[in-house]
Amino acid sequence: ETGVTQSPTHLIKTRGQQVTLRCSSQSGHNTVSWYQQALGQGPQFIFQYYREEENGRGNFPPRFSGLQFPNYSSELNVNALELDDSALYLCASSLVLAGVRNEQFFGPGTRLTVL
Amino acid sequence: QKEVEQNSGPLSVPEGAIASLNCTYSDRGSQSFFWYRQYSGKSPELIMSIYSNGDKEDGRFTAQLNKASQYVSLLIRDSQPSDSATYLCAVNRARYNFNKFYFGSGTKLNVKP
Repeated sequence: ETGVTQSPTHLIKTRGQQVTLRCSSQSGHNTVSWYQQALGQGPQFIFQYYREEENGRGNFPPRFSGLQFPNYSSELNVNALELDDSALYLCASSLVLAGVRNEQFFGPGTRLTVL
Repeated sequence: QKEVEQNSGPLSVPEGAIASLNCTYSDRGSQSFFWYRQYSGKSPELIMSIYSNGDKEDGRFTAQLNKASQYVSLLIRDSQPSDSATYLCAVNRARYNFNKFYFGSGTKLNVKP
């Protein structure tokens, strides 16, 4: 069974730039959620993708956007980067199936630094 | 008011002792509760899930849920230095098909040899 993978591991950008982060879900999973974790804080929910559509969104501005592909992998795009976007970005995958409790499993994360 | 509250710690316990970690949540309609362990510089790792009032045991870990008090706890028996990490409590309103998890800020646990 293949776990959740993310790329890149680390990324340094400057304010105003755009960034794309990638995630491959765990084998057998069909749903991907993205989280932002600032230093010393718990993960904050950004959004979830299910069947290639956004299925719930947290309190993040529209410059945070995403995609899910037919193979269930996903991208997180952030436009007009701000200094406060510096954080660990986590992808979590799960299996959403009627009547089945699902649990989220996290990838290793992408550490984004905005200068 | 935060959705999920945890004492940031650090909680220090000697090796072999029981570590008790606590979490409260604000949404009385919450249905699903999770504990994650996060080592420094790593991503969260799921260690327990609980959905019904009462206790759930898995090895050295016991999760306890009291929906009336809106309280979730995690007990770690026979604590080991390798248990030293930050423990995150996560809550979801749905019973199935979760679409938004709320996390606490985590409690840092130090297990002293």
